[in-house]
Amino acid sequence: NAGVTQTPKFQVLKTGQSMTLQCAQDMNHEYMSWYRQDPGMGLRLIHYSVGAGITDQGEVPNGYNVSRSTTEDFPLRLLSAAPSQTSVYFCASSYSRGGGVCGYTFGSGTRLTVV
Amino acid sequence: AQSVTQPDIHITVSEGASLELRCNYSYGATPYLFWYVQSPGQGLQLLLKYFSGDTLVQGIKGFEAEFKRSQSSFNLRKPSVHWSDAAEYFCAVGAGTASKLTFGTGTRLQVTL
Repeated sequence: NAGVTQTPKFQVLKTGQSMTLQCAQDMNHEYMSWYRQDPGMGLRLIHYSVGAGITDQGEVPNGYNVSRSTTEDFPLRLLSAAPSQTSVYFCASSYSRGGGVCGYTFGSGTRLTVV
Repeated sequence: AQSVTQPDIHITVSEGASLELRCNYSYGATPYLFWYVQSPGQGLQLLLKYFSGDTLVQGIKGFEAEFKRSQSSFNLRKPSVHWSDAAEYFCAVGAGTASKLTFGTGTRLQVTL
């Protein structure tokens, strides 16, 4: 049971380049989220999904796109990378019980540097 | 909108001493509350969660937290800290179905031997 798998682990992009951060989970969780972590700012929600075909914006969605065509996968696309997007990105998934999310399982992160 | 405050950026305790990490939240109704731990270079691991019911919740690794509605707090405690507990700790709050979590800025715990 792999849990939440993120690829790549490290990436360096040039300003203006695009790329996709991959996230896959094998726990049949309906909820998935993308967060970015910056020093002194905790984790901030970028986009989230409550099921296949359903996505919504979080706190800091600008410059990022997501899609959820299957339950397992939730890729994050950077449309035109900017230095401000240098960060560590975490994908997370969860199931619900009793009407609420039971706590997210996090991937190990992707460290992205934009130069 | 919900928010979380972790007033202590950095805490140092001696191994074997007790620990309390503070977390205050802002939300109009009863929230979902979580504590996560992050070791350097790693993802976040769920320590414990509160949804409803008993206000004292037990988690993994000997941690517990108490929900106090009157103080809008969800402080994390451990009676005796081990050197392996050195990490960064995040409190998080979720509204509604808790599909969206709001995290605090974290407290870095250092343990001295």
